[in-house]
Amino acid sequence: AQSVTQLDSQVPVFEEAPVELRCNYSSSVSVYLFWYVQYPNQGLQLLLKYLSGSTLVKGINGFEAEFNKSQTSFHLRKPSVHISDTAEYFCAVSGRIGGTYKYIFGTGTRLKVLA
Amino acid sequence: GAGVSQSPSNKVTEKGKDVELRCDPISGHTALYWYRQSLGQGLEFLIYFQGNSAPDKSGLPSDRFSAERTGGSVSTLTIQRTQQEDSAVYLCASSLVYGEQFFGPGTRLTVL
Repeated sequence: AQSVTQLDSQVPVFEEAPVELRCNYSSSVSVYLFWYVQYPNQGLQLLLKYLSGSTLVKGINGFEAEFNKSQTSFHLRKPSVHISDTAEYFCAVSGRIGGTYKYIFGTGTRLKVLA
Repeated sequence: GAGVSQSPSNKVTEKGKDVELRCDPISGHTALYWYRQSLGQGLEFLIYFQGNSAPDKSGLPSDRFSAERTGGSVSTLTIQRTQQEDSAVYLCASSLVYGEQFFGPGTRLTVL
């Protein structure tokens, strides 16, 4: 079965510190990978995506993620966070399993940036 | 160039009443999804439409929930005999196949 695991439900970090939000997936087929962000009281929007090509993907607001096929991971990183990065971050995986297309979200990681 | 729209933005109803939530996807997007997000929780998949294929209803929590998509465009999510546990934000998203999902602002449902 295809699944997405976000190991950390909450991540507190001080402003200007680096952060890594972890995402692991399980799938026996090729997948596409996404990170979405939901700022407080706002809708979800795409942060970045991996479809093919370079395994290092850059997104908006200085975030990047690296697709690691051998470890089935797609961790999100930012070298220096701002207060405005406080939000909920969702990892998602899509692909075709047994003839059925699936798009699965992780449970989310709440990033809290502290002054 | 409009994004995904949902109506109403807020809905307050009494327990036992039926409600209809509407989603207008981005024109040309063949895929449409419904999710539910309870306070402080992640996204709960409800149903997925893709073109003229039979919808994937595997996420609907009970037979009180149903959805349809007319003409491959507008979708309506119907909840019959609402219960207090149905209170949540209902999100709609559309996409091209395999692509990023574009989310609407959501409908906040409160069942009293």
